[in-house]
Amino acid sequence: AQSVAQPEDQVNVAEGNPLTVKCTYSVSGNPYLFWYVQYPNRGLQFLLKYITGDNLVKGSYGFEAEFNKSQTSFHLKKPSALVSDSALYFCAVREEYGGATNKLIFGTGTLLAVQP
Amino acid sequence: EAQVTQNPRYLITVTGKKLTVTCSQNMNHEYMSWYRQDPGLGLRQIYYSMNVEVTDKGDVPEGYKVSRKEKRNFPLILESPSPNQTSLYFCASSHDRVNQPQHFGDGTRLSIL
Repeated sequence: AQSVAQPEDQVNVAEGNPLTVKCTYSVSGNPYLFWYVQYPNRGLQFLLKYITGDNLVKGSYGFEAEFNKSQTSFHLKKPSALVSDSALYFCAVREEYGGATNKLIFGTGTLLAVQP
Repeated sequence: EAQVTQNPRYLITVTGKKLTVTCSQNMNHEYMSWYRQDPGLGLRQIYYSMNVEVTDKGDVPEGYKVSRKEKRNFPLILESPSPNQTSLYFCASSHDRVNQPQHFGDGTRLSIL
């Protein structure tokens, strides 16, 4: 069965420092991986996705994520954090050939707090 | 502007009083979905729809109904709400259900007393 784990409930980082939000996944076949961000009182917004190709994926707002098949991870990164990056981040996974019952499975979310 | 619109944004109601949360998208998306978000559990899918008149259960469908009579609308119906359905609900849409990102509404916070 598909699953995704975000091991940290909260990540704290100082403004200007690099940030990493961790995500690991489990699927039977090839994964389709997504990162979404949720600001207070708003719905989730798409940041980036990995379908195939280059393991380093670049997305919105300067974020990027690295797909690591051997470690089954898809960590979200940004070289220099901004206070405005403070939000709730969700990783999600789907199998490439999951058939009619294939679902997008979300992690439990990681709260990113960037201190000025 | 491309968007998914949910109404109401907030609702406090009582056990057993039927309610409907509307969802409408203006992007001509085929796939639509309802999720509930609860602390520590992330987002869990309630129902989804592949296209008009095609709906199916997600992970937590008990106590909910949906319909897809038009492509743009996908209402969520709680026939007899109970307190365990107190949650934050999101509607989402996309062109397909496999590798396209989903567009989310801003959410509906339901409190069932």
